[in-house]
Amino acid sequence: EIVLTQSPATLSLSPGERATLSCRASQSVSIYLAWYQQKSGQAPRLLMYDASNRATGIPARFSGSGSETDFTLTISSLEPEDFAVYYCQQRSNWPLTFGGGTKVEIK
Amino acid sequence: EVQLLESGGGLVQPGGSLRLSCATSGFTFNNYGMTWVRQAPGKGLEWVSTISDSGGSTHLADSVKGRFTISRDNSKNTLFLQMNSLRADDTAVYYCAKGFRGTSFVDSWGQGTLVTVSS
Repeated sequence: EIVLTQSPATLSLSPGERATLSCRASQSVSIYLAWYQQKSGQAPRLLMYDASNRATGIPARFSGSGSETDFTLTISSLEPEDFAVYYCQQRSNWPLTFGGGTKVEIK
Repeated sequence: EVQLLESGGGLVQPGGSLRLSCATSGFTFNNYGMTWVRQAPGKGLEWVSTISDSGGSTHLADSVKGRFTISRDNSKNTLFLQMNSLRADDTAVYYCAKGFRGTSFVDSWGQGTLVTVSS
C-alpha cells in the first residue's frame, strides 16, 4: 500500500498570504496524484488531478506540482473561502489511498 | 447537473448488516466508474471501494475485504454497498462519488450517509 504523508498537519495563515502544502508518497506514483478540498460539513471537491491540472471551475490561484514521490499544492493568495482541509490521493496503485490532510486555518 | 444521493445509513449493532444505495442523475451512469469513500467522525478520508463502469471490475480496501460488496444497477443508475459483519470502526459518513474521466479520481460527491455501529 502506498502511504501518503501530508505536511504540515495545520497551516495558520492570513488572507492574502501564500499557502504551500506538501504530499509525500512512500513510493513513486508518477504524476497520478489529486488534491481535494473539504470545507466543514461538506463533501470534498476535486481541485487538481494528475499533479498539476486544475479541475473544472477551480481558480487559477490554485496550482499543483511534483512527480514521483513529492508533490506540492500552492494557493498563491488565500481567499476567505480557501480555509479548509486539503487531502491528496493517489491512483497509481490499488488500494487507492488518501493522505491524512492539511488544515489551512485563519491566523 | 450531476446529483448523487446516498441512503441506507443508520444505527446498527456490531455484527449486523446494512445496504447503502446511491441514486444518481445528471450524467450517463454506465459510462463512469463509481467509488465509495468514508470518513470517520473527526478523521480523514478513507477509500473503501471502486467499481468499473460495467460492474465487471471491483476493488476493495483490505479493511473491508470479505465483509463489504460493491455493486451497481446500470438500468436504475444506482450504486450499492452491501456491508456485513459491521464493526465499531466502520462508523463513518459514507460518500458515493463519480469517477473522473475514466480514472479512479472522483469529481462529484454525494452529501454522505452516516453509519453508526454500536450496541
